[in-house]
Amino acid sequence: GIQVEQSPPDLILQEGANSTLRCNFSDSVNNLQWFHQNPWGQLINLFYIPSGTKQNGRLSATTVATERYSLLYISSSQTTDSGVYFCAAAGNAGNMLTFGGGTRLMVKP
Amino acid sequence: NAGVTQTPKFQVLKTGQSMTLQCAQDMNHNSMYWYRQDPGMGLRLIYYSASEGTTDKGEVPNGYNVSRLNKREFSLRLESAAPSQTSVYFCASTIWGELFFGEGSRLTVL
Repeated sequence: GIQVEQSPPDLILQEGANSTLRCNFSDSVNNLQWFHQNPWGQLINLFYIPSGTKQNGRLSATTVATERYSLLYISSSQTTDSGVYFCAAAGNAGNMLTFGGGTRLMVKP
Repeated sequence: NAGVTQTPKFQVLKTGQSMTLQCAQDMNHNSMYWYRQDPGMGLRLIYYSASEGTTDKGEVPNGYNVSRLNKREFSLRLESAAPSQTSVYFCASTIWGELFFGEGSRLTVL
Protein backbone atom coordinates (compact mmCIF):
# COMPACT_ATOMS: atom_id res chain seq x y z
CA GLY A 1 0.00 0.00 0.00
CA ILE A 2 0.85 3.65 -0.09
CA GLN A 3 3.45 4.95 2.37
CA VAL A 4 3.03 8.38 3.96
CA GLU A 5 5.87 10.16 5.73
CA GLN A 6 5.70 13.48 7.51
CA SER A 7 8.43 15.87 8.52
CA PRO A 8 9.56 17.21 10.83
CA PRO A 9 8.29 14.92 13.59
CA ASP A 10 8.45 17.72 16.14
CA LEU A 11 8.44 21.48 15.81
CA ILE A 12 8.63 24.24 18.39
CA LEU A 13 7.77 27.79 17.37
CA GLN A 14 7.50 31.14 18.99
CA GLU A 15 4.10 32.73 18.64
CA GLY A 16 3.94 34.76 15.45
CA ALA A 17 6.39 32.61 13.49
CA ASN A 18 5.62 30.86 10.22
CA SER A 19 6.12 27.17 9.53
CA THR A 20 5.94 24.58 6.78
CA LEU A 21 5.00 20.96 7.37
CA ARG A 22 5.74 18.37 4.73
CA CYS A 23 4.00 15.15 3.70
CA ASN A 24 5.62 12.75 1.23
CA PHE A 25 3.70 9.85 -0.29
CA SER A 26 4.98 6.88 -2.21
CA ASP A 27 2.46 6.56 -5.03
CA SER A 28 -0.12 8.46 -7.04
CA VAL A 29 -2.99 9.69 -4.92
CA ASN A 30 -6.61 10.49 -5.54
CA ASN A 31 -7.22 11.63 -1.98
CA LEU A 32 -5.05 13.67 0.36
CA GLN A 33 -6.15 15.35 3.56
CA TRP A 34 -4.65 17.33 6.41
CA PHE A 35 -5.97 17.07 9.96
CA HIS A 36 -5.21 18.84 13.20
CA GLN A 37 -5.45 16.94 16.46
CA ASN A 38 -5.79 19.48 19.24
CA PRO A 39 -4.45 18.96 22.77
CA TRP A 40 -7.87 17.60 23.80
CA GLY A 41 -7.61 14.83 21.23
CA GLN A 42 -10.15 16.08 18.71
CA LEU A 43 -9.32 15.46 15.05
CA ILE A 44 -10.30 18.39 12.89
CA ASN A 45 -10.43 18.23 9.14
CA LEU A 46 -8.27 21.06 7.73
CA PHE A 47 -7.99 20.46 4.01
CA TYR A 48 -9.09 17.98 1.39
CA ILE A 49 -6.43 18.60 -1.24
CA PRO A 50 -5.47 15.81 -3.67
CA SER A 51 -3.95 18.47 -5.90
CA GLY A 52 -3.53 22.23 -6.15
CA THR A 53 -3.57 24.90 -3.47
CA LYS A 54 -6.15 25.94 -0.89
CA GLN A 55 -6.20 28.58 1.81
CA ASN A 56 -8.24 28.97 4.95
CA GLY A 57 -7.28 31.98 7.02
CA ARG A 58 -3.72 31.63 8.29
CA LEU A 59 -3.46 28.08 6.97
CA SER A 60 -2.82 27.02 3.41
CA ALA A 61 -1.91 23.77 1.72
CA THR A 62 -0.36 22.78 -1.57
CA THR A 63 -0.21 19.32 -3.10
CA VAL A 64 2.12 18.61 -6.00
CA ALA A 65 0.79 15.23 -7.01
CA THR A 66 3.34 14.67 -9.79
CA GLU A 67 6.18 15.04 -7.28
CA ARG A 68 4.35 13.14 -4.53
CA TYR A 69 4.32 15.68 -1.73
CA SER A 70 2.05 18.07 0.06
CA LEU A 71 2.89 21.08 2.21
CA LEU A 72 0.90 22.70 4.99
CA TYR A 73 1.78 26.32 5.73
CA ILE A 74 0.95 27.98 9.02
CA SER A 75 1.48 31.71 9.12
CA SER A 76 1.60 33.96 12.19
CA SER A 77 1.28 30.93 14.46
CA GLN A 78 -0.80 31.11 17.63
CA THR A 79 -0.74 28.99 20.76
CA THR A 80 -4.05 27.48 19.67
CA ASP A 81 -2.24 25.98 16.65
CA SER A 82 -0.45 23.58 18.99
CA GLY A 83 -1.18 19.89 18.60
CA VAL A 84 -0.42 17.19 16.07
CA TYR A 85 -0.88 17.63 12.34
CA PHE A 86 -1.63 14.51 10.31
CA CYS A 87 -1.48 13.98 6.61
CA ALA A 88 -3.46 11.08 5.12
CA ALA A 89 -3.42 9.80 1.57
CA ALA A 90 -5.15 7.21 -0.55
CA GLY A 91 -3.76 5.84 -3.78
CA ASN A 92 -5.54 5.26 -7.03
CA ALA A 93 -5.62 1.51 -6.39
CA GLY A 94 -7.92 1.81 -3.40
CA ASN A 95 -9.80 4.31 -1.31
CA MET A 96 -8.50 3.62 2.20
CA LEU A 97 -6.63 6.52 3.71
CA THR A 98 -3.18 5.83 5.12
CA PHE A 99 -2.04 8.22 7.84
CA GLY A 100 1.42 9.59 8.30
CA GLY A 101 3.04 9.62 11.71
CA GLY A 102 2.20 13.26 12.33
CA THR A 103 4.09 16.46 13.14
CA ARG A 104 3.80 17.54 16.76
CA LEU A 105 3.72 21.35 16.91
CA MET A 106 4.17 23.42 20.04
CA VAL A 107 3.68 27.17 19.79
CA LYS A 108 5.11 29.07 22.74
CA PRO A 109 3.70 32.41 23.84
CA ASN B 1 -26.04 19.10 13.30
CA ALA B 2 -23.99 16.78 15.55
CA GLY B 3 -21.79 15.24 12.81
CA VAL B 4 -20.24 11.99 14.08
CA THR B 5 -21.19 10.95 17.61
CA GLN B 6 -19.45 8.21 19.58
CA THR B 7 -20.40 6.59 22.87
CA PRO B 8 -19.09 6.03 25.44
CA LYS B 9 -16.33 8.65 25.70
CA PHE B 10 -14.46 6.69 28.38
CA GLN B 11 -14.58 3.04 29.44
CA VAL B 12 -12.52 0.83 31.72
CA LEU B 13 -12.78 -2.93 31.24
CA LYS B 14 -11.22 -5.97 32.83
CA THR B 15 -9.46 -8.51 30.65
CA GLY B 16 -12.01 -10.85 29.10
CA GLN B 17 -14.98 -8.50 29.34
CA SER B 18 -16.92 -7.50 26.24
CA MET B 19 -18.24 -4.15 25.14
CA THR B 20 -19.58 -2.30 22.14
CA LEU B 21 -18.60 1.16 20.97
CA GLN B 22 -21.43 2.96 19.25
CA CYS B 23 -21.11 5.44 16.40
CA ALA B 24 -23.75 7.43 14.58
CA GLN B 25 -23.52 10.08 11.89
CA ASP B 26 -26.21 12.46 10.74
CA MET B 27 -24.55 13.65 7.53
CA ASN B 28 -26.06 10.95 5.28
CA HIS B 29 -22.58 9.63 4.51
CA ASN B 30 -22.24 6.26 2.81
CA SER B 31 -18.90 5.13 4.24
CA MET B 32 -17.96 4.72 7.88
CA TYR B 33 -14.73 3.70 9.61
CA TRP B 34 -13.24 2.65 12.92
CA TYR B 35 -9.66 3.66 13.73
CA ARG B 36 -7.50 3.16 16.76
CA GLN B 37 -4.79 5.56 17.87
CA ASP B 38 -1.87 4.43 19.98
CA PRO B 39 1.13 6.48 21.12
CA GLY B 40 3.82 6.41 18.45
CA MET B 41 1.64 4.38 16.06
CA GLY B 42 -0.55 7.04 14.53
CA LEU B 43 -4.02 6.12 13.31
CA ARG B 44 -4.68 2.60 12.10
CA LEU B 45 -7.83 1.36 10.38
CA ILE B 46 -9.65 -1.47 12.15
CA TYR B 47 -12.74 -1.98 9.99
CA TYR B 48 -14.71 0.01 7.50
CA SER B 49 -18.09 -0.07 5.82
CA ALA B 50 -18.24 1.32 2.30
CA SER B 51 -22.03 1.28 2.32
CA GLU B 52 -24.97 0.01 4.32
CA GLY B 53 -24.85 -3.77 4.52
CA THR B 54 -21.13 -4.14 3.80
CA THR B 55 -18.12 -4.34 6.10
CA ASP B 56 -14.45 -5.04 5.42
CA LYS B 57 -11.30 -5.54 7.43
CA GLY B 58 -8.72 -2.83 7.72
CA GLU B 59 -5.13 -2.98 8.87
CA VAL B 60 -5.71 -4.28 12.43
CA PRO B 61 -9.04 -6.20 12.63
CA ASN B 62 -8.06 -9.02 15.00
CA GLY B 63 -10.07 -9.05 18.22
CA TYR B 64 -12.85 -6.85 16.85
CA ASN B 65 -16.21 -7.24 15.15
CA VAL B 66 -18.38 -4.60 13.53
CA SER B 67 -21.98 -4.11 12.54
CA ARG B 68 -23.35 -1.58 10.09
CA LEU B 69 -26.81 -1.42 11.60
CA ASN B 70 -28.17 1.07 9.06
CA LYS B 71 -26.82 3.99 7.09
CA ARG B 72 -26.38 6.10 10.23
CA GLU B 73 -24.86 3.62 12.68
CA PHE B 74 -21.65 1.59 12.75
CA SER B 75 -20.71 -0.25 15.95
CA LEU B 76 -17.43 -1.83 17.05
CA ARG B 77 -17.48 -4.80 19.41
CA LEU B 78 -14.72 -6.25 21.55
CA GLU B 79 -15.79 -9.80 22.43
CA SER B 80 -13.02 -10.55 24.92
CA ALA B 81 -11.01 -7.46 25.74
CA ALA B 82 -7.23 -7.68 26.10
CA PRO B 83 -4.77 -5.13 27.52
CA SER B 84 -3.37 -4.69 23.97
CA GLN B 85 -6.71 -3.14 23.04
CA THR B 86 -6.14 -0.23 25.38
CA SER B 87 -6.31 2.69 22.98
CA VAL B 88 -8.28 5.67 21.78
CA TYR B 89 -10.89 4.68 19.22
CA PHE B 90 -12.20 7.03 16.55
CA CYS B 91 -15.19 6.58 14.34
CA ALA B 92 -15.29 8.48 11.07
CA SER B 93 -17.52 8.91 8.08
CA THR B 94 -16.89 10.14 4.59
CA ILE B 95 -18.55 11.32 1.46
CA TRP B 96 -16.66 12.13 -1.71
CA GLY B 97 -13.48 11.11 0.11
CA GLU B 98 -13.45 13.81 2.80
CA LEU B 99 -13.17 12.22 6.24
CA PHE B 100 -14.89 13.52 9.37
CA PHE B 101 -14.09 12.15 12.82
CA GLY B 102 -16.02 11.68 16.02
CA GLU B 103 -14.54 12.89 19.29
CA GLY B 104 -13.00 9.57 20.23
CA SER B 105 -13.54 6.93 22.89
CA ARG B 106 -10.76 6.22 25.38
CA LEU B 107 -10.73 2.53 26.36
CA THR B 108 -8.56 1.05 29.08
CA VAL B 109 -8.33 -2.70 29.56
CA LEU B 110 -6.86 -3.80 32.89
